[in-house]
Amino acid sequence: DAGVIQSPRHEVTEMGQEVTLRCKPISGHNSLFWYRQTMMRGLELLIYFNNNVPIDDSGMPEDRFSAKMPNASFSTLKIQPSEPRDSAVYFCASIPSGGGADTQYFGPGTRLTVL
Amino acid sequence: SQQGEEDPQALSIQEGENATMNCSYKTSINNLQWYRQNSGRGLVHLILIRSNEREKHSGRLRVTLDTSKKSSSLLITASRAADTASYFCATDAASGSRLTFGEGTQLTVNP
Repeated sequence: DAGVIQSPRHEVTEMGQEVTLRCKPISGHNSLFWYRQTMMRGLELLIYFNNNVPIDDSGMPEDRFSAKMPNASFSTLKIQPSEPRDSAVYFCASIPSGGGADTQYFGPGTRLTVL
Repeated sequence: SQQGEEDPQALSIQEGENATMNCSYKTSINNLQWYRQNSGRGLVHLILIRSNEREKHSGRLRVTLDTSKKSSSLLITASRAADTASYFCATDAASGSRLTFGEGTQLTVNP
């Protein structure tokens, strides 16, 4: 099993540009979570999906952030336009059931730097 | 503040010593989990303890849960340099299914 796959691993962009982060959950997992980790704020849940449907997006910071899960094997997190304060490591995680009580399997993260 | 708060924020010990990290939370939970994060990597699940359990073991890990005090501890026995990492507790509130992570304890085990 390849685990959760995220791409790119590193992204450097300029303020105002659109950024798209990608995640492939573990096959058979039907819940997917997007997190953001910074030194100041720690690990924050942005949004999670169950069976490709967004369940809780209360952590999405503002309208510049959007996330989609068009099918069970792919999700994107888009930031448009990006700002320097969006610089962080973004993690995707998946679990095999609908509840958050199960173990979450994390991807390696995407380190985003917005100049 | 966050649901889970770890204490201490940083811990430095010698190889072979035991390391104890604590986590406090504020609301009722279904379960509490501990995760480990090596520098530059994603989080890895270590152990889960349910609200009706008081203690759980896994290899060199021992987790306790005191729901009356809303606190948990993670003990790593006979630590190794490879245990150097950040350790996070995460709670699953009784009313929801999302996990809320604490700020983490940075453990350094010196060889």
